[in-house]
Amino acid sequence: GAVVSQHPSWVICKSGTSVKIECRSLDFQATTMFWYRQFPKQSLMLMATSNEGSKATYEQGVEKDKFLINHASLTLSTLTVTSAHPEDSSFYICSASSGADTYNSPLHFGNGTRLTVT
Amino acid sequence: GQQVMQIPQYQHVQEGEDFTTYCNSSTTLSNIQWYKQRPGGHPVFLIQLVKSGEVKKQKRLTFQFGEAKKNSSLHITATQTTDVGTYFCAGRTEYGNKLVFGAGTILRVKS
Repeated sequence: GAVVSQHPSWVICKSGTSVKIECRSLDFQATTMFWYRQFPKQSLMLMATSNEGSKATYEQGVEKDKFLINHASLTLSTLTVTSAHPEDSSFYICSASSGADTYNSPLHFGNGTRLTVT
Repeated sequence: GQQVMQIPQYQHVQEGEDFTTYCNSSTTLSNIQWYKQRPGGHPVFLIQLVKSGEVKKQKRLTFQFGEAKKNSSLHITATQTTDVGTYFCAGRTEYGNKLVFGAGTILRVKS
């Protein structure tokens, strides 16, 4: 089945530093990937839609300069949390669809990245 | 904007009891998907419903899509400890390209 790999699984960083999270589709190509943020015992909030070869589409309220997204190839999207602060501590999770119709196919999620900013 | 409400937020059942979680959208949906997230894990796709009034079954799980395509339910018969986790519905509007997740229902099963 379709597998999405996300790295790292967890990261602890100091306030003010930047953290890069990678999301790879291992056995399929993904022109579109989605980045979510999940707070403890809460739902998944879509942050942005990553488009291969073009700019990401950010949801309202998500700062594009703080959460930099790069989708340089059909199998890799990266999310960089710049100048991280403790309030950025959260569970970040990416997903992609292996179906021909991205918007009507199941999403395959990565294992997520637990970010803790001290 | 589109909202997907899901209830209950939390349910604790005795093993063998049934469980149901409900999803309601403020707008008509083109499809609805259900995911299960085990504690500490990531969401895993369970099923997608597309047609009005559709009912699909997966062993002890029964999924329904309302006639108006604005609500859905997931029913688990005779729960087992392996059913533990958070169940999310996610709906897509007829004109949107985003999947909006419900808040999820946390299921705990006592053995």
